[in-house]
Amino acid sequence: KAGVTQTPRYLIKTRGQQVTLSCSPISGHRSVSWYQQTPGQGLQFLFEYFSETQRNKGNFPGRFSGRQFSNSRSEMNVSTLELGDSALYLCASTGTSYTETQYFGPGTRLLVL
Amino acid sequence: KQEVTQIPAALSVPEGENLVLNCSFTDSAIYNLQWFRQDPGKGLTSLLLIQSSQREQTSGRLNASLDKSSGRSTLYIAASQPGDSATYLCAVNYAGGTSYGKLTFGQGTILTVHP
Repeated sequence: KAGVTQTPRYLIKTRGQQVTLSCSPISGHRSVSWYQQTPGQGLQFLFEYFSETQRNKGNFPGRFSGRQFSNSRSEMNVSTLELGDSALYLCASTGTSYTETQYFGPGTRLLVL
Repeated sequence: KQEVTQIPAALSVPEGENLVLNCSFTDSAIYNLQWFRQDPGKGLTSLLLIQSSQREQTSGRLNASLDKSSGRSTLYIAASQPGDSATYLCAVNYAGGTSYGKLTFGQGTILTVHP
C-alpha cells in the first residue's frame, strides 16, 4: 500500500504571495490532518478533514485554509504569506476512526523570502 | 490547557545502552498516545500506538508504557544502535468533541547514539 504523499516537496515563495499544498492519503483513509512544524513552536495542529468536512481547526489565522475532495485528497492554502509561515507542513491520514494510528507524509518544506 | 512535555530534550549515549524517554501529559482523558520518530528534514514515522485501555505496547527493541492516572508514558529502547539516532516525539490524542484528528505533540527528545 502506498504511503501518504505530499506535493510539492519544496517551495520558495515571497511575502504576500499565496501557496497551495497537496496531500494524498493512504488508499481507503478518509481523515486527513495538517500540521505545521517550526523550530520554535514544534508541531502544531492546523485542521482536520473527514469526508470533505472540516471537523476540527487549530489556532491559526484565517489565512490558513483547506479542503478535501471526494477521493479524500486534501489541499491546504496559505494566502498573503508572511516570513513566519516558513515551516515544514505535514499531513497525516487515518482510517475511519480518529483513534487509529496517524500516518504522516514526508512534508512540504516552505520557505518564504 | 492540554499539553505534552518530553524529558530530556536531548540525550547522548554510547551504542548498546538501554535508554528511557519520558513523556507527560496534563489530562488523563485521552483516546491514545503515539510515539514517533523523525529523522532530520523528514516526516514522522509511527513507532507505537497505545490505546487508553492499554498499559504497554512492544515492537522489536521498543517498549512503550502508559499510565493515565499519573499522566505519563515512557519509551524504552533496548540495546541502542547508531541507527536509532533521531528525534523522538510523543503525541497525545486527547478525548473530547474538539479533538477530532488532532494530536498534541511534545517538543521531542533528540537522541544521539555514538559508536
